[in-house]
Amino acid sequence: ELKVEQNPLFLSMQEGKNYTIYCNYSTTSDRLYWYRQDPGKSLESLFVLLSNGAVKQEGRLMASLDTKARLSTLHITAAVHDLSATYFCAVDTLFIIQGAQKLVFGQGTRLTINP
Amino acid sequence: KAGVTQTPRYLIKTRGQQVTLSCSPISGHRSVSWYQQTPGQGLQFLFEYFSETQRNKGNFPGRFSGRQFSNSRSEMNVSTLELGDSALYLCASSLGQGNTIYFGEGSWLTVV
Repeated sequence: ELKVEQNPLFLSMQEGKNYTIYCNYSTTSDRLYWYRQDPGKSLESLFVLLSNGAVKQEGRLMASLDTKARLSTLHITAAVHDLSATYFCAVDTLFIIQGAQKLVFGQGTRLTINP
Repeated sequence: KAGVTQTPRYLIKTRGQQVTLSCSPISGHRSVSWYQQTPGQGLQFLFEYFSETQRNKGNFPGRFSGRQFSNSRSEMNVSTLELGDSALYLCASSLGQGNTIYFGEGSWLTVV
């Protein structure tokens, strides 16, 4: 059974600092998603990583994928308060189970950025 | 381009009742999937439909069912509601074949 684990689960940081959220998964996959969720809201797609070595950047967020290590990272640069949210990584099982598109989510990382 | 639309957004039901939630995918998307989000269990996959066929089902009891219509719209039904069914139910759509998966705003279900 595919398992996806994020760490840390809770992260409190100061504005202007850098930090990284880690996402490990247990079975080979080459499609990984990062989502953001604000309180009481749905999931907002941030990044789709499609292959080993993929790197995507948007503003202060950068995501990367290492399929050999089964690891993805979400790096936050010079954090600002507006980035406070819960961040989820999810692995698409399509390429594990043929024909069955299904996301398996990590537990989420609740990020709080303090002024 | 309209996003994934879910109705109703909020509803309160009594134990033992049943509920039907509706989802309209992004135009052109043929894959529709459903997820349940609770504080205790996190985000869990319910089922996925593609061209009216259920391709995959998560580990939920038979009280949870769904269907997809020829226009790709989907409904999910939960019968004999239990308190533990209180959750945010999210619908997602994609073009299928491993494309980006977009989520709707969700339906908040409270069972009392």
